[in-house]
Amino acid sequence: DTEVTQTPKHLVMGMTNKKSLKCEQHMGHRAMYWYKQKAKKPPELMFVYSYEKLSINESVPSRFSPECPNSSLLNLHLHALQPEDSALYLCASSQARGLTGELFFGEGSRLTVL
Amino acid sequence: GNSVTQMEGPVTLSEEAFLTINCTYTATGYPSLFWYVQYPGEGLQLLLKATKADDKGSNKGFEATYRKETTSFHLEKGSVQVSDSAVYFCALSVIPSNTGKLIFGQGTTLQVKP
Repeated sequence: DTEVTQTPKHLVMGMTNKKSLKCEQHMGHRAMYWYKQKAKKPPELMFVYSYEKLSINESVPSRFSPECPNSSLLNLHLHALQPEDSALYLCASSQARGLTGELFFGEGSRLTVL
Repeated sequence: GNSVTQMEGPVTLSEEAFLTINCTYTATGYPSLFWYVQYPGEGLQLLLKATKADDKGSNKGFEATYRKETTSFHLEKGSVQVSDSAVYFCALSVIPSNTGKLIFGQGTTLQVKP
């Protein structure tokens, strides 16, 4: 099993809604990541979890709240988003933070904020 | 600092043409180098990688050689197919790293016409 699974694939929400994106991996990886990708741009790192602890927050606004309930799961809680937050949100995992550099990505959750 | 520069696209080729996508990098330490591919509507997939100078990564007919003297990692394929149409990202990670962060180039869109 070499997959990173993200749900939902598509999400439309209003600016006052609260929603969550979910990510799951069963490769035994101990580092998990959230990236944001705008159209025709490279992914931008948002958060890194290493051994279930938040290790990097790339100055992301507090309306994005990550959570790592266990080593296989990663959530991104969304609240009071802005239309400019519309993007593809990618989850990724790796064996251990910084060990190989190789990340395994999910297919992403495409978020539209109205 | 660490950075990756890719040739600007889009690159449009006819089927069976030869492909080169240029990638150069600057890095402190000893980077590992990657090419990721993103097909329309999907997440990123690792295409190939090289972890030290003179290594050649290869996969699905694509190749790239880690050239330390020219700080380059150009992607090549001898005969492209319509199914190769995608966005290609060159990336680096400095190993060992205390961040696990991938540094991406801007991406190059490849369109292959029948």
